[in-house]
Amino acid sequence: QSVLTQPPSVSAAPGQKVTISCSGSSSNIGNNYVSWHQQLPGTAPKLLIYENNKRPSGIPDRFSGSKSATSATLGITGLQTGDEADYYCGTWDSSLSAWVFGGGTKLTVL
Amino acid sequence: QLQLQESGPGLVKPSETLSLTCTVSGDSISSSSFYWAWIRQPPGKGLEWIASIYYSGTTYYNPSLKSRVTISVDTSKNRFSLKLSSVTAADTALYYCARLVGVTGAFDIWGQGTMVTVSS
Repeated sequence: QSVLTQPPSVSAAPGQKVTISCSGSSSNIGNNYVSWHQQLPGTAPKLLIYENNKRPSGIPDRFSGSKSATSATLGITGLQTGDEADYYCGTWDSSLSAWVFGGGTKLTVL
Repeated sequence: QLQLQESGPGLVKPSETLSLTCTVSGDSISSSSFYWAWIRQPPGKGLEWIASIYYSGTTYYNPSLKSRVTISVDTSKNRFSLKLSSVTAADTALYYCARLVGVTGAFDIWGQGTMVTVSS
């Protein structure tokens, strides 16, 4: 059971928009930065979003992040088949003194 | 550009100790503001953070693994290492090393991962 809760899967058509939620608590999301990683099949995770809503260099602005209270959301617009991947949220948990990840969400672009 | 490369045995026997090394190239492991971490992913499952270390030796461990894990750093060789003792089949996973921006920041650079299987 992950400390952060994500939906197991989401799907949408090419060109559409999708959001992936990540729910936590005051000890993690509520008081720390959230990051999001994309893991394409057979590859290592790649940082998409850091500090809740910032994109590393090279990440297109189709990807966005937001946070409100104890939840965070990853948004992807203009979906492409190449976006099919597993997406993970993560943050520091101050009570556990540990990094925690969500269980991951599999995105299918129909 | 910074690169991380994991190395170590791909097969470990039950009850033995798993030992992995992550070699950092393209920058000094002693760079300030960065921690260095191990993360694993069992087949078909999600990510699990194992431990993080600063070049000075400050460490953080996953409470669920703390009794079996040791992370260490060798600044002279620009690498850091993981030891996981008393392994079982549940420790079979793809093990990644990664750079962490500040202890509570984000994992911005990842190695390609190394598969470790625990089996007799």
